[in-house]
Amino acid sequence: AQSVTQLGSHVSVSEGALVLLRCNYSSSVPPYLFWYVQYPNQGLQLLLKYTSAATLVKGINGFEAEFKKSETSFHLTKPSAHMSDAAEYFCAVIWGKLSFGAGTTVTVRA
Amino acid sequence: GAVVSQHPSRVICKSGTSVKIECRSLDFQATTMFWYRQFPKKSLMLMATSNEGSKATYEQGVEKDKFLINHASLTLSTLTVTSAHPEDSSFYICSARLLGTDTQYFGPGTRLTVL
Repeated sequence: AQSVTQLGSHVSVSEGALVLLRCNYSSSVPPYLFWYVQYPNQGLQLLLKYTSAATLVKGINGFEAEFKKSETSFHLTKPSAHMSDAAEYFCAVIWGKLSFGAGTTVTVRA
Repeated sequence: GAVVSQHPSRVICKSGTSVKIECRSLDFQATTMFWYRQFPKKSLMLMATSNEGSKATYEQGVEKDKFLINHASLTLSTLTVTSAHPEDSSFYICSARLLGTDTQYFGPGTRLTVL
């Protein structure tokens, strides 16, 4: 069965440190891939999306993600964490319908 | 652009009553909207796909008679939770797909609490 996996349900980083959120998908055909962010009691905001135009995708708020077909991965990074980055992050893939990973909670330490 | 609104943002109701949630795409037309449910600390679960002018497509295990969906225009879809019970309490989120793309834009969600 096709699935999307986010490694690590919780990531804690210091302010100014690198943020790395891992996402792997299972599919023989590169799908469309997304990263969404959810702040408490809010809906999801699109951070970035991969649509095969370029393997390195830049998004909003300084985030970027790299699509690696050989590793079936689409990890999200941000060079320097800010307190406002504390939120829930979801990786998602389109296989007919949008399928979400379980989510990763990011906390940022001052 | 691509803003989706939901109303109300929060609703508390008594068991047995019905609650209607509206989802609007404010600056684009959406022939397809989606309704999700999210439990605390969990990911989103797709409930149904709402197509303008036709019947909604429900996911397996979702009661279509309990969760009524209407998509009467290109900018509005509604979800009505009929005869709500405490187990229906949840965070309901809608999304709208930008025409011609695979990108969904999400509303801010509606917190339903059934007493």
